[in-house]
Amino acid sequence: EPEVTQTPSHQVTQMGQEVILRCVPISNHLYFYWYRQILGQKVEFLVSFYNNEISEKSEIFDDQFSVERPDGSNFTLKIRSTKLEDSAMYFCASSVSRQPTDTQYFGPGTRLTVL
Amino acid sequence: GESVGLHLPTLSVQEGDNSIINCAYSNSASDYFIWYKQESGKGPQFIIDIRSNMDKRQGQRVTVLLNKTVKHLSLQIAATQPGDSAVYFCAERSGGYQKVTFGTGTKLQVIP
Repeated sequence: EPEVTQTPSHQVTQMGQEVILRCVPISNHLYFYWYRQILGQKVEFLVSFYNNEISEKSEIFDDQFSVERPDGSNFTLKIRSTKLEDSAMYFCASSVSRQPTDTQYFGPGTRLTVL
Repeated sequence: GESVGLHLPTLSVQEGDNSIINCAYSNSASDYFIWYKQESGKGPQFIIDIRSNMDKRQGQRVTVLLNKTVKHLSLQIAATQPGDSAVYFCAERSGGYQKVTFGTGTKLQVIP
């Protein structure tokens, strides 16, 4: 069964550094998402992406964040200058369409630790 | 603000018993509800969903019930197995938005 994959599984960085989290969505999916989960808290929506544009974003997704689909398979989340509070699990997801009935499939996550 | 939340943070059940996980939501505009299962070290995994125009939907060993009058959602797992041990999240989508809004999660512990 096709899966969303994410790399790395764990990223440790110093505060103020830039990080790029990578995702390979399911191949026939057209909508891509990033969510995050701070330890012990809810999974929170960050951004959705379609046709090389952000289609929806949350208040969390400020100017420090950016997303890109640099090639036909990868989908990336960049945090320009990491803060301690960016430490969280970051999940990538993808779906065939934006219809509610089309399930968003989640990857295994990248654990980001900011020191 | 609008939210989706869970009544119980932890639920312990005996293997073979049925489990019921509850969820309250406050957004009356929610039109689609989803249950996700999250095992340790993994991402949320889709279990079952239900539209707001339905009150019950059954899957394999799982049933979701929706009571719009009291804004309540439940997940029933029949004959709970050790492999069902995980954190379960209810979630919702509304108004054509793409974002999925997650609740706080209930940890299900299955006692062998």
